[in-house]
Amino acid sequence: KQEVTQIPAALSVPEGENLVLNCSFTDSAIYNLQWFRQDPGKGLTSLLLIQSSQREQTSGRLNASLDKSSGRSTLYIAASQPGDSATYLCAVHNTDKLIFGTGTRLQVFP
Amino acid sequence: EPEVTQTPSHQVTQMGQEVILRCVPISNHLYFYWYRQILGQKVEFLVSFYNNEISEKSEIFDDQFSVERPDGSNFTLKIRSTKLEDSAMYFCASSEAVDTEAFFGQGTRLTVV
Repeated sequence: KQEVTQIPAALSVPEGENLVLNCSFTDSAIYNLQWFRQDPGKGLTSLLLIQSSQREQTSGRLNASLDKSSGRSTLYIAASQPGDSATYLCAVHNTDKLIFGTGTRLQVFP
Repeated sequence: EPEVTQTPSHQVTQMGQEVILRCVPISNHLYFYWYRQILGQKVEFLVSFYNNEISEKSEIFDDQFSVERPDGSNFTLKIRSTKLEDSAMYFCASSEAVDTEAFFGQGTRLTVV
């Protein structure tokens, strides 16, 4: 059974820092991995999708990597801003569904 | 930019009542999903739907749940007899294909009292 874990559970950093969020999964038989952002009480905003054949994907200040064989993905956020404060979720696409991690709650303070 | 739309944003219902949550997926998408998130917990998969039938469902999706695509645009989740533990945020999602990016709606917060 696929399990997805995210560490750290929470992170508080000053504005401008570069930071790394980690995601690990137990079954490497995935179609892809998707990173989402969730603001309190809101929906899920897709940030990046990495296909299982890809190693890396970039969008603006975000860079996600995937090492399928070791069951790991990282989300790198460059030059963090207070507006980046949110919960970040990773999800692996396994058959017809996404399996989510518990998330990393990020706070960026001025 | 196309988006997944859910209505209502918040629904309060009495235990034992039936509720229908509605979703309008992105128009050219073929795969539709329902997920739920109990407060403070993980987002959990409920059901996937393709070609007018359920393609996969979780253990949570028991006989009290059903899904329907009544016309060419709407996708609904019905809970027949709500329980207190059904209180959660329910998210609808859609994707073009089984292995492409999934887009989520803003959710319906269901409160069962």
